[in-house]
Amino acid sequence: LAKTTQPISMDSYEGQEVNITCSHNNIATNDYITWYQQFPSQGPRFIIQGYKTKVTNEVASLFIPADRKSSTLSLPRVSLSDTAVYYCLVGDPYSGNTPLVFGKGTRLSVIA
Amino acid sequence: DADVTQTPRNRITKTGKRIMLECSQTKGHDRMYWYRQDPGLGLRLIYYSFDVKDINKGEISDGYSVSRQAQAKFSLSLESAIPNQTALYFCATSDLRGYGYTFGSGTRLTVV
Repeated sequence: LAKTTQPISMDSYEGQEVNITCSHNNIATNDYITWYQQFPSQGPRFIIQGYKTKVTNEVASLFIPADRKSSTLSLPRVSLSDTAVYYCLVGDPYSGNTPLVFGKGTRLSVIA
Repeated sequence: DADVTQTPRNRITKTGKRIMLECSQTKGHDRMYWYRQDPGLGLRLIYYSFDVKDINKGEISDGYSVSRQAQAKFSLSLESAIPNQTALYFCATSDLRGYGYTFGSGTRLTVV
């Protein structure tokens, strides 16, 4: 499994755009990049997944450069309720025989 | 009803006692997982099962056992609980359609 590296923590003020970058230098051809969000005392929840270029949904955008060795999760105009831990994972969601490995994630604190 | 239900939500038990944590899912997924979360350590995989007849150890399986009673049920047992097994335990499910993992709400276990 490709190893991922992401910042341990980030702080942001309400209303700002937050970008969390994840590096995954050893990503394989069939791997996708998936981000999960975890609120305190809750299980992680899937927020976005992509293979290349840009993916956008109602929660976030995911930017993946051509070499796919990194990715950036972008949260537009964060609010206090976006305070959570964000996990970047890399793996093949269609044929993987190895469970996803959740690292320590990035703890985002949104300040009023 | 939740897609992935864990029982109990909270449990306090004494050292040396046997305890079972239960997980049931209505997603129809074949794959189920047990993760453990300790403060600041992210999620660590205990056991996983890709179908009813398949059981695999994760990175921290010592002191734990599991049972996959049916496609929808996956139980985690601590045969003789010890204080350092105090943690938040999550069950998750997935399939191969690329929609990510669905987590339960967690079981907070305290061993005294």
